[in-house]
Amino acid sequence: DIQMTQSPSSLSASVGDRVTIACQAGQDIRNFLSWFQQIPGKAPKLLIYDASNLETGVPSRFSGSGYGTHFTFTISSLQPEDIATYYCHQYGSLPHTFGQGTKLEIK
Amino acid sequence: EVQLVESGGGLVTPGRSLRLSCTASGFSFGDFALNWFRQAPGKGLEWVGFIRSKTHGGTTEYAASVKGRFSISRDDSKSIVYLQMNGLQTDDTAVYYCARAWGQVGAMVRGSDYWGQGTLVTVSS
Repeated sequence: DIQMTQSPSSLSASVGDRVTIACQAGQDIRNFLSWFQQIPGKAPKLLIYDASNLETGVPSRFSGSGYGTHFTFTISSLQPEDIATYYCHQYGSLPHTFGQGTKLEIK
Repeated sequence: EVQLVESGGGLVTPGRSLRLSCTASGFSFGDFALNWFRQAPGKGLEWVGFIRSKTHGGTTEYAASVKGRFSISRDDSKSIVYLQMNGLQTDDTAVYYCARAWGQVGAMVRGSDYWGQGTLVTVSS
């Protein structure tokens, strides 16, 4: 199984801050990686697919980058509605696996 | 509008079976692979398995934790995907989500874009 190591596990930032989350794959997954946002009690929402493609309708302050084993997810200017848990997800190899999540809070 | 609606969750005693359904609308159901995921209370997301489209063989893949106990099937005429869960254990307690996979390349099923709202399965005596 490909382990996805996501960091940090929690993060506190101020409105307007730039926020970055890292995800490291245990093996090369090329660009087969998504980022999801999950608000408590809700289903995950796709933000980024294939490592760097912004899903339709997602604000441009969200972005992703990386290839192979190292990936990053960035919110360029944190907004109050961005409070959620974020997950990376690899689908390059079976079984598909997730990072453990990053809980984002407002400072 | 793409919609996925899960149903069939509930309270079940260990060792029993349960079948979840996921009814889809708003897209050409038969052209897409469908995933099942789960999330235990207060925990992260876990992939359960998927079923490929009939064009790609309609075959299934499963996580090791459920292989041999869970099975996924689909009825393209009704736009429904099922998750049959047998031999349920307490650690199967979770919210179960179905999700549409946005693409398939050969046998490879890519990530999921649209998700249902989830259905809670509680396994307890």
